[in-house]
Amino acid sequence: QLQLQESGPGLVKPSETLSLTCTVSGASISSSEYYWGWIRQPPGKGLEWIGAVYYNGRTFYNPSLKSRVTISLDTSNNQFYLQLSSVTAADTDVYYCARHGRPSSAAGWFDPWGQGTLVTVSS
Amino acid sequence: SYELTQPPSVSVSPGQTASITCSGDRLGEKYASWYQQKPGQSPVVVIYQDNRRPPGSPERFSGSNSGNTATLTISGTQAMDEADYYCQAWDSSTAVFGGGTKLTVL
Repeated sequence: QLQLQESGPGLVKPSETLSLTCTVSGASISSSEYYWGWIRQPPGKGLEWIGAVYYNGRTFYNPSLKSRVTISLDTSNNQFYLQLSSVTAADTDVYYCARHGRPSSAAGWFDPWGQGTLVTVSS
Repeated sequence: SYELTQPPSVSVSPGQTASITCSGDRLGEKYASWYQQKPGQSPVVVIYQDNRRPPGSPERFSGSNSGNTATLTISGTQAMDEADYYCQAWDSSTAVFGGGTKLTVL
C-alpha cells in the first residue's frame, strides 16, 4: 500500500529556510508514471499547491512561490524534498506531500496524501 | 493567474442532495477533481477526471464539468459527509485549488 510521510522541523525562524522530506513507501518514485508534489494549508484555511518533481528531476512550481522554492528527489532513498527560503510568519502552514499524475492530463489528481506536518515560523 | 471559486458553505438535510459548485474560466475544458477533508485529517480524493469515483468513494458521490462550472453532487447525504470540499484543476502546469466549501449536514 502506497504511503507518504512528511518529516522535518516543526519550528523555523524567520528569514531561514524551511526544509521538509517526504518518504515514500509502497512504490518507487523512479516510476515515469507519477509526479510527486507539495501542498500547504494555513490552519483553518484552504489548500495551496507549492510544486512538484518528476522522476527525472524536472520540476514545476507555483509562480507565486517560485523564487523561494526548491523541490528535489533522491531515488536511492525513495524520498523527495521541499526547501522554502526566506520564510516569514505567513509561511506557517500544514505541509502535505502527495502523488499525482501528469499535470493537465486526465491523471492529474492528487492521491494519496501524507498526513501533513505543521511548520511554525517564529523566533 | 487562474482561479477556482467555490461557495464558502453549503447546508443540507440528511438524506437530501447536496451540490457544491466550482467555477473557473473554461473549466469544462480541463479535468476537475474533488477532495474531501475532515477536521484534523488529510484531503482524500472523492472524484477525479470530472466524474470518476476512486475505489472507496461511496456511490452517492458524483461529478460533472461543463462550461465554466464543475459540480460535486452528494445524493442521500449522510452525517459522515460533513466536511470541507475542495475542487482542483490544472492550468498551464500549475495546480489550482478552489477556496473550499464547508458542507454542513443538519
